[in-house]
Amino acid sequence: GDSVTQTEGLVTLTEGLPVMLNCTYQTIYSNPFLFWYVHYLNESPRLLLKSSTDNKRTEHQGFHATLHKSSSSFHLQKSSAQLSDSALYYCALSALLSGSFNKLTFGAGTRLAVCP
Amino acid sequence: EAAVTQSPRNKVTVTGGNVTLSCRQTNSHNYMYWYRQDTGHGLRLIHYSYGAGNLQIGDVPDGYKATRTTQEDFFLLLELASPSQTSLYFCASSDVLETLYFGSGTRLTVL
Repeated sequence: GDSVTQTEGLVTLTEGLPVMLNCTYQTIYSNPFLFWYVHYLNESPRLLLKSSTDNKRTEHQGFHATLHKSSSSFHLQKSSAQLSDSALYYCALSALLSGSFNKLTFGAGTRLAVCP
Repeated sequence: EAAVTQSPRNKVTVTGGNVTLSCRQTNSHNYMYWYRQDTGHGLRLIHYSYGAGNLQIGDVPDGYKATRTTQEDFFLLLELASPSQTSLYFCASSDVLETLYFGSGTRLTVL
């Protein structure tokens, strides 16, 4: 079945440094949809950005990611971390098969802690 | 924005107890999901549904039942709760491959 790997359980950064959270995936389908969800403490998880287009950069709220089908990757990046970016980040995968839904598969999550 | 409401916010029960978690969405989404969130495992899908009366098995269904009574309402049932089911439970709704909208979560403790 589908799988998503987030290699870092915890990333600790100093404010102002660049952010990179890794996400790789495995799927037998050639048309994957990749998502990043963010979960702030005491809030509900919510969508940060998504993509299904190979080699196209997707941006939202200062974060960006590019789907690379050749390496099965969808890393999340930001040029300069802010204290308010501290949260749990999930990478997720799905695929559209002949118009029918394929369930979303989440990675284990990466906790980002930004320090002053 | 879609609204997903879960109840209760917190629940404590004993081993062998009977628990029902409730979820209601008000954005006419066809798909609803129950996830559990555990450190080191992320969000794991328990059950999901395409519409009223439909139920699909997720990745970690053992010990859980679910029922979708209407398009709006999706329930998760633990008939014989065990300590391993202590977790943070999220309900979510969506249309096909569109954004998942999550509820605020139910923290369940099984003593």
